[in-house]
Formats: sequence, C-alpha cells, structure tokens
Amino acid sequence: AQSVTQPDIHITVSEGASLELRCNYSYGATPYLFWYVQSPGQGLQLLLKYFSGDTLVQGIKGFEAEFKRSQSSFNLRKPSVHWSDAAEYFCAVGRGHFNAGGTSYGKLTFGQGTILTVHP
Amino acid sequence: DVKVTQSSRYLVKRTGEKVFLECVQDMDHENMFWYRQDPGLGLRLIYFSYDVKMKEKGDIPEGYSVSREKKERFSLILESASTNQTSMYLCASSLWTGDYGYTFGSGTRLTVV
Repeated sequence: AQSVTQPDIHITVSEGASLELRCNYSYGATPYLFWYVQSPGQGLQLLLKYFSGDTLVQGIKGFEAEFKRSQSSFNLRKPSVHWSDAAEYFCAVGRGHFNAGGTSYGKLTFGQGTILTVHP
Repeated sequence: DVKVTQSSRYLVKRTGEKVFLECVQDMDHENMFWYRQDPGLGLRLIYFSYDVKMKEKGDIPEGYSVSREKKERFSLILESASTNQTSMYLCASSLWTGDYGYTFGSGTRLTVV
C-alpha cells in the first residue's frame, strides 16, 4: 500500500529565509506526487503536482518541488518565505484506483502535515 | 472555478445524535470524497463516490455512512455520533479518470459533546 511521511510536524522560519519541507513516500510504481496547502480556516489548495518528466516541478506562489526517485522523496522548497506562507502543508501520493465498475480514478493518500510558522 | 461548498462551518452535536454533513459541488465532477482531518494524522479517507448512488469505503468507514442521490451532492452521515468523531471533516471532488487535482471545501468542524 502507498504511504506518505512528513518527518517535520512543525517548522519555524524567519520571513525572507529559504524553506524546505520534507516528504518521503512509499509506493511500488512511479508515483504521482502532490503538495497541498491549507491556510487557517480554509480547505486545501493544490500547490503543485508531479506526474512524469522533469523532476523539478514549479507550482503556484513561488513554490517548487523536486522528485528524487533514489531517495523516495518529493521535498517542497521556496527561496524566500513570506508571512502569508504560514499554513499547514500536506504531501500526497496518488495512484489509479479501479472502482467496482472497472473505471480508474485518482485516489490520494496524504501525509500527516507540516505546520509552517513564519516569524517577522 | 470549481466550487465545493460544505453547508456548515461549525457544528456541535450531542452524543447519540444522527448527524448529516452536506457537500455540494458545482462543476459536474464525477468523484466526491469525504476525509476527516486530525492533528498529527493528516487526512484520512472515510468514503468516496464515483457516481450517483455508487460508493466505496475508504480507510476509516466505521461509524459513518454516505449518500449520493444527485451528482452534485454528497452527504456524510454519522448514525450515532460519538465523542471520538469530533474532528474536521473535509469534502473534495475531482473529475473522472486521471484527475488527481482534488478541489476541497472549506471544511466542517464537528464537536460531539
């Protein structure tokens, strides 16, 4: 079964500093990988996704992530953090799942989440 | 933009009550999902539906049921609420095959007292 681990429960950075959030996955085949962000009181918003091709993926809000197959990792990075980036971040792995009717759809498994605090 | 609307933002219910959480999406998405979110556990899938009247259990279905009578609406039902069901509940929808870009609602924070 697929699984996702986010080793850091809580990370604190200063505004303007660089950021890296870690994500490790376990999956037998080539994974589909995602990062979502949840601002306080909000639902989850998709930041970026990796399906295939270039292992460095650009997303919204200046975020990027790098897929490293040898390390089973998909870490999220941002060169300069803004106060508005304070939120909870979720890594997810997806795979095709066949329903009872035999049709495939995407099913996501999420990590535990990393809370990001930004100091002024 | 696709919009997923959860009818209640905060809900307080008593132990043993039957509770309905409603979710509506407005973009004709085939798939709909119910997750619960707890600190340190991330999101865990309760149930999902891939078509009207079709449903499948997720990872933690015990104590829950669902209903999907219309394509745009997916309801989560707590038959007899218990305090361990106090949580944040998130609804999501996605298109059919190959779409993993879920659109999430804002969540319902349920407290069972």
